[in-house]
Amino acid sequence: AQSVSQHNHHVILSEAASLELGCNYSYGGTVNLFWYVQYPGQHLQLLLKYFSGDPLVKGIKGFEAEFIKSKFSFNLRKPSVQWSDTAEYFCAVNPGSGNTPLVFGKGTRLSVIA
Amino acid sequence: DGGITQSPKYLFRKEGQNVTLSCEQNLNHDAMYWYRQDPGQGLRLIYYSQIVNDFQKGDIAEGYSVSREKKESFPLTVTSAQKNPTAFYLCASSIGSLDEQYFGPGTRLTVT
Repeated sequence: AQSVSQHNHHVILSEAASLELGCNYSYGGTVNLFWYVQYPGQHLQLLLKYFSGDPLVKGIKGFEAEFIKSKFSFNLRKPSVQWSDTAEYFCAVNPGSGNTPLVFGKGTRLSVIA
Repeated sequence: DGGITQSPKYLFRKEGQNVTLSCEQNLNHDAMYWYRQDPGQGLRLIYYSQIVNDFQKGDIAEGYSVSREKKESFPLTVTSAQKNPTAFYLCASSIGSLDEQYFGPGTRLTVT
């Protein structure tokens, strides 16, 4: 079965530090890739997505992610985090065809300290 | 103002009772989903529906049931057969199964 791995359960960073959250998936074919964010007390919302084209994807709030097909990875990055980035981040994958719904990773909790 | 509504935000029930969680969307999306979110477990898919009057089991469907009689509504019933029902339940919808999903605010169910 398709699976999504997020390597870090909890990341703690100081403000202005750079962020990289890992995401690897097991599916070997064409995939659609997503990063979602859940701020404290808020809805889960889409940060960015990759369907095809340029493997470096820009999202909201200064986030970006790079799809590396050979490594089955879609890591999320931000050059300089802010306290307001404190949230839980979820990577999700589904095949680029068929009717299989999204498979989510277990999430990474990011805490940004002043 | 388009979106997904879930009600209620908090729900308390006694063990042995069935309880139904509401999910409504006005986005005209065909697909709808129910997830369960537990700390450290991510989102686990309970049921999904790609079209009215049709739905499929997800990874953890045991002890749950759904219906999809209308495009905009996808209620989830947590039955007394669900062994560990206390959790945060999220509903989502999408245009199609390959598209991004839009999430509701969630219902926190506590069963004692």
